[in-house]
Amino acid sequence: EPEVTQTPSHQVTQMGQEVILRCVPISNHLYFYWYRQILGQKVEFLVSFYNNEISEKSEIFDDQFSVERPDGSNFTLKIRSTKLEDSAMYFCASSVRGYGYTFGSGTRLTVV
Amino acid sequence: AQSVTQLDSQVPVFEEAPVELRCNYSSSVSVYLFWYVQYPNQGLQLLLKYLSGSTLVESINGFEAEFNKSQTSFHLRKPSVHISDTAEYFCAVSEGAQKLVFGQGTRLTINP
Repeated sequence: EPEVTQTPSHQVTQMGQEVILRCVPISNHLYFYWYRQILGQKVEFLVSFYNNEISEKSEIFDDQFSVERPDGSNFTLKIRSTKLEDSAMYFCASSVRGYGYTFGSGTRLTVV
Repeated sequence: AQSVTQLDSQVPVFEEAPVELRCNYSSSVSVYLFWYVQYPNQGLQLLLKYLSGSTLVESINGFEAEFNKSQTSFHLRKPSVHISDTAEYFCAVSEGAQKLVFGQGTRLTINP
């Protein structure tokens, strides 16, 4: 069965550093998403991406965050200057028509 | 705006007992409904979904959920649980090709 692949599985970074989280969505999917889950809390929507542009973003997705689809296969989330409160599990997801979501296994980001 | 309420943060049950995990949602339009399962230290896996048609949907491992439009509910049930069902269960809703909104999650603990 096709999978959404996320790398790395775990990243530790120092506060103020930039991080890039990488995702390879399912090849024929058209909608791409990033979600995050702070430890012990619910999964929160960050951003959706369709037709090479952001279609929706949440209040969490401020100027420190950006997304890119640099080629036909990768979908990245960049955090420019990480804060302690950015520590969370970040999930990438993709879908064909916006309702058949498939999630990746996540990247655990730890900011120290 | 959409919202999802999972009334129980934790549900302990004995093995082979039935279980119901409650989910209520609010939305002004037609919705798609999902249950995701998260095993310890793993990502989100789709358990089942309601898009249209029959209001009773089933998963391959014995779970079922029923969409009740009048009560705006999508409760998850299993007639007999197994130790391996121990996990966090998230109910989610979306309005068409848009983001998923998740509930707080219910931690299901199976006792022998």
